[in-house]
Amino acid sequence: GIQVEQSPPDLILQEGANSTLRCNFSDSVNNLQWFHQNPWGQLINLFYIPSGTKQNGRLSATTVATERYSLLYISSSQTTDSGVYFCAVDDKIIFGKGTRLHILP
Amino acid sequence: GAVVSQHPSWVICKSGTSVKIECRSLDFQATTMFWYRQFPKQSLMLMATSNEGSKATYEQGVEKDKFLINHASLTLSTLTVTSAHPEDSSFYICSARVGGSYGYTFGSGTRLTVV
Repeated sequence: GIQVEQSPPDLILQEGANSTLRCNFSDSVNNLQWFHQNPWGQLINLFYIPSGTKQNGRLSATTVATERYSLLYISSSQTTDSGVYFCAVDDKIIFGKGTRLHILP
Repeated sequence: GAVVSQHPSWVICKSGTSVKIECRSLDFQATTMFWYRQFPKQSLMLMATSNEGSKATYEQGVEKDKFLINHASLTLSTLTVTSAHPEDSSFYICSARVGGSYGYTFGSGTRLTVV
């Protein structure tokens, strides 16, 4: 089956910093989404982005389908951005292992 | 829009009992729903794909008789953990495809503790 790798696994940043999270996948995909899992476990849908670039406030994402990767950018980080960010692909929504982001005040 | 309501949010049950978890799509029809399990500080693992009006498709290693899935209508899928044991304690979460540019949406999850 398709493999999804996320990097880095952990990231600690000071408030205000920018960050880039990466998702590599082993085969072509029809679907790709980025999620933020909050401390209560709820998965917040950030982007549905099988290709191209999207922006929503301080967050943006780019997927280069031909090279099988996607990037999530977080600018001017806030403490509320802390949590786990997951990339999920394909019709079965296969998840990567996530990036655990911790923003320090 | 595109909300999946999952209940209960948390449940504690005794070993040997069964627990039912419900997922409802509130403002759209979900022909297919997915059930996941998540252990602490780990990723979400797909357990099964639930199809309205037909049998669920289970992933390798998931016991069909332990985790009963029913998808009787276009808005409701249920997961029943039968004869629960402490090792079944986990976070269970469902999802459904909304379609268009929205992709998939998830329920709020159920934290199951078996004592």
